[in-house]
Amino acid sequence: AQSVTQLDSQVPVFEEAPVELRCNYSSSVSVYLFWYVQYPNQGLQLLLKYLSGSTLVESINGFEAEFNKSQTSFHLRKPSVHISDTAEYFCAVSVNTQGGSEKLVFGKGTKLTVNP
Amino acid sequence: DVKVTQSSRYLVKRTGEKVFLECVQDMDHENMFWYRQDPGLGLRLIYFSYDVKMKEKGDIPEGYSVSREKKERFSLILESASTNQTSMYLCASSLFGSEAEAFFGQGTRLTVV
Repeated sequence: AQSVTQLDSQVPVFEEAPVELRCNYSSSVSVYLFWYVQYPNQGLQLLLKYLSGSTLVESINGFEAEFNKSQTSFHLRKPSVHISDTAEYFCAVSVNTQGGSEKLVFGKGTKLTVNP
Repeated sequence: DVKVTQSSRYLVKRTGEKVFLECVQDMDHENMFWYRQDPGLGLRLIYFSYDVKMKEKGDIPEGYSVSREKKERFSLILESASTNQTSMYLCASSLFGSEAEAFFGQGTRLTVV
């Protein structure tokens, strides 16, 4: 079965420092990968996704993630974080179901705390 | 502006009660999902539906059932609430297709006492 491993449950960093949130997935024939972000007391929202093509994908707020097929990884990076980036980040992979539909399988999440 | 609306943000129920959590989406999405979120465990899929009256079990369906009588509405039912069902419940919807983005509601924090 497809699975997602987020290697760090908590990542504390100082403002303006770079950050990397790690994500590994179990391999499959085709892979669709996602990063979602959950700000305090809110639902999840899509940050970025990899479907095909360029292995580097970017979000509008400065995050990027690189799909690495040989390492089965999809790490999320930002060169300089802000206080407002404090949130929980979830990596997810889309998998097909027995009924012919599809569902998202999530990692356990990484809490990013940006300190002044 | 796309929207997934969960009927309650906070809910307190007694052990043994039958509990209904309601979710409505206004995007005409085929897929709808119920997840449970617990600290350190991430999001775990309870049930999902890919069409009206169609459903599939997720990873942790025990103690739950669902209903989808209309395309826009997906209900999660706790037949007899127990304290170990105290959790944050998240509803989501998406179009068909593995590449489709899921849109989430704000969540319902359920406490069973």
